[in-house]
Amino acid sequence: KNEVEQSPQNLTAQEGEFITINCSYSVGISALHWLQQHPGGGIVSLFMLSSGKKKHGRLIATINIQEKHSSLHITASHPRDSAVYICAAYSGGGADGLTFGKGTHLIIQP
Amino acid sequence: KAGVTQTPRYLIKTRGQQVTLSCSPISGHRSVSWYQQTPGQGLQFLFEYFSETQRNKGNFPGRFSGRQFSNSRSEMNVSTLELGDSALYLCASSQGLSTYEQYFGPGTRLTVT
Repeated sequence: KNEVEQSPQNLTAQEGEFITINCSYSVGISALHWLQQHPGGGIVSLFMLSSGKKKHGRLIATINIQEKHSSLHITASHPRDSAVYICAAYSGGGADGLTFGKGTHLIIQP
Repeated sequence: KAGVTQTPRYLIKTRGQQVTLSCSPISGHRSVSWYQQTPGQGLQFLFEYFSETQRNKGNFPGRFSGRQFSNSRSEMNVSTLELGDSALYLCASSQGLSTYEQYFGPGTRLTVT
């Protein structure tokens, strides 16, 4: 069974700062998802990675398959980025489906 | 395209009752997954359906079951409800299994009293 660890659990930063959220997993995966959840529960998929790096606007996601590690970066952070960020790993087949990290609660102060 | 819809949005049930939740995926998506979210355990995978077949099942008791219809709509059922089943139940649809981008519905908030 895959174990997914995220750090930090909580992060408070000032507007404009560069943000990094880390995700580690214990077994090989087919895909790594980064999700954003706002208060009220709605979840939005930010990225799905199997290798390398993806960029969308101010968000960048990277994955290192050998080190079993992924990072989510936010450049020029803004208060509207305040949310819970969750990584989820998919090992492929079997009983696991997606295995989720506990999430990183991010607050960007103006 | 319309997004993923879930009904009902809120539900209050009593211990011992059973409940059925519904999920309509994005048009053209053949995969539907179900997740449970609680403050203590976070998000946990329940099951994943593709073309009416259950492809994966998470570590939940047999009281939790689901199915997918030919139009890709999915239902999940929880029988003999327990207080610990109180949670936000989310479904997500995608074009394929979990190697594809997941599109989440708004969730059904279930409270068991």
